[in-house]
Amino acid sequence: AQKVTQAQTEISVVEKEDVTLDCVYETRDTTYYLFWYKQPPSGELVFLIRRNSFDEQNEISGRYSWNFQKSTSSFNFTITASQVVDSAVYFCALSEALAYKYIFGTGTRLKVLA
Amino acid sequence: SAVISQKPSRDICQRGTSLTIQCQVDSQVTMMFWYRQQPGQSLTLIATANQGSEATYESGFVIDKFPISRPNLTFSTLTVSNMSPEDSSIYLCSVDNVLAGLVSTDTQYFGPGTRLTVL
Repeated sequence: AQKVTQAQTEISVVEKEDVTLDCVYETRDTTYYLFWYKQPPSGELVFLIRRNSFDEQNEISGRYSWNFQKSTSSFNFTITASQVVDSAVYFCALSEALAYKYIFGTGTRLKVLA
Repeated sequence: SAVISQKPSRDICQRGTSLTIQCQVDSQVTMMFWYRQQPGQSLTLIATANQGSEATYESGFVIDKFPISRPNLTFSTLTVSNMSPEDSSIYLCSVDNVLAGLVSTDTQYFGPGTRLTVL
């Protein structure tokens, strides 16, 4: 069965600190996709990144970086030099290729304090 | 990515009534999805709506309670019927950003959501 675990329910950091959001997944499939979405207080889900199971290269986009490790079934998300605007709930999700159904984690609420 | 809008953005409804939520996309998409997010919870898929066919419902969700229409490739509606306070949630539609007939991007983009409160 597929499962996504975000063990951190809520994290608070002071502005400019680095913060890592953890995501651990379970799947029996060899082909799958992993995602991160941001949900600010407005409620909209904003797509951040998609990674397929064959691409273990880490990715950096500005202050955001993602570390995908199949050996530990983890897809962690780091925000460098956090800002107040980063305050949101962040969801990690998993889908099987062509299955279209996403399995979402329970989300991590990030609070960045000025 | 596609631009997705939802109407209404929020509503407060009385128990026993029904509300229809609209999802409009600015480009043709094959796959549209409806999710529910109960307060403080994660997202749960209600159903997948493909144009020209009946919606496919996930376990725990039934057509009588959540009828869905998909009349064309840019529009869908979700009705929450005979509402109770337990239906208070954010309802989100999402699309797989693909033009009809082309390969899926395997990535879903979400609308802004509809915040529903049932009294």
